[in-house]
Amino acid sequence: AQSVTQLGSHVSVSEGALVLLRCNYSSSVPPYLFWYVQYPNQGLQLLLKYTSAATLVKGINGFEAEFKKSETSFHLTKPSAHMSDAAEYFCAVSDRGTSYGKLTFGQGTILTVHP
Amino acid sequence: GAGVSQSPSNKVTEKGKDVELRCDPISGHTALYWYRQSLGQGLEFLIYFQGNSAPDKSGLPSDRFSAERTGGSVSTLTIQRTQQEDSAVYLCASSFSPGLVYEQYFGPGTRLTVT
Repeated sequence: AQSVTQLGSHVSVSEGALVLLRCNYSSSVPPYLFWYVQYPNQGLQLLLKYTSAATLVKGINGFEAEFKKSETSFHLTKPSAHMSDAAEYFCAVSDRGTSYGKLTFGQGTILTVHP
Repeated sequence: GAGVSQSPSNKVTEKGKDVELRCDPISGHTALYWYRQSLGQGLEFLIYFQGNSAPDKSGLPSDRFSAERTGGSVSTLTIQRTQQEDSAVYLCASSFSPGLVYEQYFGPGTRLTVT
């Protein structure tokens, strides 16, 4: 079964600093990979997804992620953090053998941005 | 346009009572998913609907949980004889079509508290 590990349940950065949120998956066949963001009392919003095209994926709000097969990783980055980036971020995978997009999520990383 | 809506936003119930949670997907979306977000288990898949059929119910935790979808639109998740471990946020998502080409749009969730 697919699994996803997000390293660090809490990450704190200064405004303007680099954001790096880590995600590793376990699968012998690279799955489809996603990053979602959840603001307080809201549903999840898709930031970006990897489905086997370019390994560097650009998403909304200045975020991007790089798929590295050799490291089974899909880390999320943003060059300069804004206060509005404070939220919880989830990495998710979907098995290529599943036709309907069933998602398996990591445990989430809460991002705090301080002035 | 209107997004995925869920009702109620909050539900407090006594142990042993039955509850119904409602999801209104985006109009025209044929695929509908239920997920559960809890402190202990993180975000978990519960069930997937394509139209009114549920090809994958593998995430339903017990036979106390059931779900239906009518008219290819509204879905109801029912939990019978609620237990304290059922306390969680129940998220609904819909997409235009199953598969990973189409984004899953999430509702704000229903926060269920079992006392």
